[in-house]
Amino acid sequence: TQLLEQSPQFLSIQEGENLTVYCNSSSVFSSLQWYRQEPGEGPVLLVTVVTGGEVKKLKRLTFQFGDARKDSSLHITAAQPGDTGLYLCAGGGSNYKLTFGKGTLLTVNP
Amino acid sequence: EAGVTQFPSHSVIEKGQTVTLRCDPISGHDNLYWYRRVMGKEIKFLLHFVKESKQDESGMPNNRFLAERTGGTYSTLKVQPAELEDSGVYFCASSQVSGNTIYFGEGSWLTVV
Repeated sequence: TQLLEQSPQFLSIQEGENLTVYCNSSSVFSSLQWYRQEPGEGPVLLVTVVTGGEVKKLKRLTFQFGDARKDSSLHITAAQPGDTGLYLCAGGGSNYKLTFGKGTLLTVNP
Repeated sequence: EAGVTQFPSHSVIEKGQTVTLRCDPISGHDNLYWYRRVMGKEIKFLLHFVKESKQDESGMPNNRFLAERTGGTYSTLKVQPAELEDSGVYFCASSQVSGNTIYFGEGSWLTVV
């Protein structure tokens, strides 16, 4: 059974601070996706990384896929209150099934 | 363009009753998925349709759960009889081609009391 461990589970920071969320597994994934979920809504895809060592940037968000494709990180620079939400990582295999982590609940205080 | 829509958004039923959740995927999306998140756990895969055919139902918890997608359009997920541990949020998702971006609905929150 593939598992994805996300850390930290909860994160509360002040506006303007930087943060990193980690997603780790003992399994290899063909792709790694990051989602953001807000209360009452479903997960919304932020990015997909597929190549070991790949780095993608989305404005103030930087996503990295580990060289061995077993781990990933999400770094947010100068966090803003609008970044508040539940961040989920999900690993994809050779098929369509996604294996999700439990998520990181981020609160950015003004 | 409308996203993935789910109905009902919230449902409270008694143990032993039946509940049917409905999902309307994005128009033109052949792939439809059901996922579930129970309290304190991660979101888990339940099953995958390609058009009206079940491609994989390996994530279905037991035979109290029945999913259908007649005509390859909308899908229903029926839980009969519901048990307390079935409480959680049921997400439906759809995509055009397997492996492409998967779009999630807002979820159907089920509480079994």
